[in-house]
Amino acid sequence: NAGVTQTPKFRVLKTGQSMTLLCAQDMNHEYMYWYRQDPGMGLRLIHYSVGEGTTAKGEVPDGYNVSRLKKQNFLLGLESAAPSQTSVYFCASSEPQGNYGYTFGSGTRLTVV
Amino acid sequence: GNSVTQMEGPVTLSEEAFLTINCTYTATGYPSLFWYVQYPGEGLQLLLKATKADDKGSNKGFEATYRKETTSFHLEKGSVQVSDSAVYFCALRSGGSYIPTFGRGTSLIVHP
Repeated sequence: NAGVTQTPKFRVLKTGQSMTLLCAQDMNHEYMYWYRQDPGMGLRLIHYSVGEGTTAKGEVPDGYNVSRLKKQNFLLGLESAAPSQTSVYFCASSEPQGNYGYTFGSGTRLTVV
Repeated sequence: GNSVTQMEGPVTLSEEAFLTINCTYTATGYPSLFWYVQYPGEGLQLLLKATKADDKGSNKGFEATYRKETTSFHLEKGSVQVSDSAVYFCALRSGGSYIPTFGRGTSLIVHP
């Protein structure tokens, strides 16, 4: 039972570099989400997707792009990394039913220097 | 809009003490309510849930009751262990919304 798998687990980037974070789920969930978690800020939603080929902006989308070309994968891209994007990033997935919980990945710890 | 308010932490307890973490919410309609736990260095895990008024969710000795009249979903445990040290998040999900609403999290520290 892999659930939600995030790669990489750790990454250090230089300011201005680009990278892609991969989220893969094997539960055939329709909905997928990207969050960032910073000390004292709780979870903040970056982007989300309610189905293959669809994406939408969350609370803090600036500086990030996403794609969901396959149902099981949700990619988060940083085109030009900034120190303010230093954070822990979590992916989550769920089903549309309102009583369904969310399954989270174990996170990617990103440092931008 | 929907919102979830949790008590601020950290909550510091001795082993075997009684735990309560308060959670209140505002929401349209009849949301489902959840508690998640995040251990150090890990992602959030679903701890328990309740989907309608007066339901009690329970798991691993933790309990929470969906109280519609007080719009609350307080987390309780009768006797905490050091291994319960973690951050606990209260959350709600409305049937018509794509986006869940999370509280800010409450850190629990249990000393031997």
